[in-house]
Amino acid sequence: DQQVKQNSPSLSVQEGRISILNCDYTNSMFDYFLWYKKYPAEGPTFLISISSIKDKNEDGRFTVFLNKSAKHLSLHIVPSQPGDSAVYFCAAKGSQGNLIFGKGTKLSVKP
Amino acid sequence: DSGVTQTPKHLITATGQRVTLRCSPRSGDLSVYWYQQSLDQGLQFLIHYYNGEERAKGNILERFSAQQFPDLHSELNLSSLELGDSALYFCASSRKTGFDYNEQFFGPGTRLTVL
Repeated sequence: DQQVKQNSPSLSVQEGRISILNCDYTNSMFDYFLWYKKYPAEGPTFLISISSIKDKNEDGRFTVFLNKSAKHLSLHIVPSQPGDSAVYFCAAKGSQGNLIFGKGTKLSVKP
Repeated sequence: DSGVTQTPKHLITATGQRVTLRCSPRSGDLSVYWYQQSLDQGLQFLIHYYNGEERAKGNILERFSAQQFPDLHSELNLSSLELGDSALYFCASSRKTGFDYNEQFFGPGTRLTVL
């Protein structure tokens, strides 16, 4: 039973436009969420995170929004750049301190 | 570069064999986590060590074991290998345990192919 879900396996966006990646979770006890970016042949790279006491966290072009009532979070990238093309993983911090990952969304940013 | 190193990068072996994957955490990090990424399952947590002691277990098979040494590097041992064990194995490190430190930094992974 998947506790963290990324329902869109892929997303294609034009350079300069906004990319919105979505993530849903089922466990209301989750209190910390993270986004990772992964290029082929590399490990996941930490991007941005948010605590459940906030509803928004911003870092440069990246903003994460958290809607606790809907158990939904999203990552916004503005403006999108070709170098942002990668697989993006949403993760929640589990009760054992481990990360529980979604299956990822492959973002393609077209020049 | 995350500062986490993993060796080897690629490993090809046969069913029934035993392999050891090695991970060196970032300087100063006491926690090491192991994850498995297979095609259909995504990234799955296997096991967590903190300062040499096992702290938590996830979906780790009994054929798999791990340890963390005094110099804080960790090894993941996979035995009686099956075709389904073919996957990418990542280790990640963090400064403290997952209960008081959230971000984990991942190594480049070891790709295991079992033939």
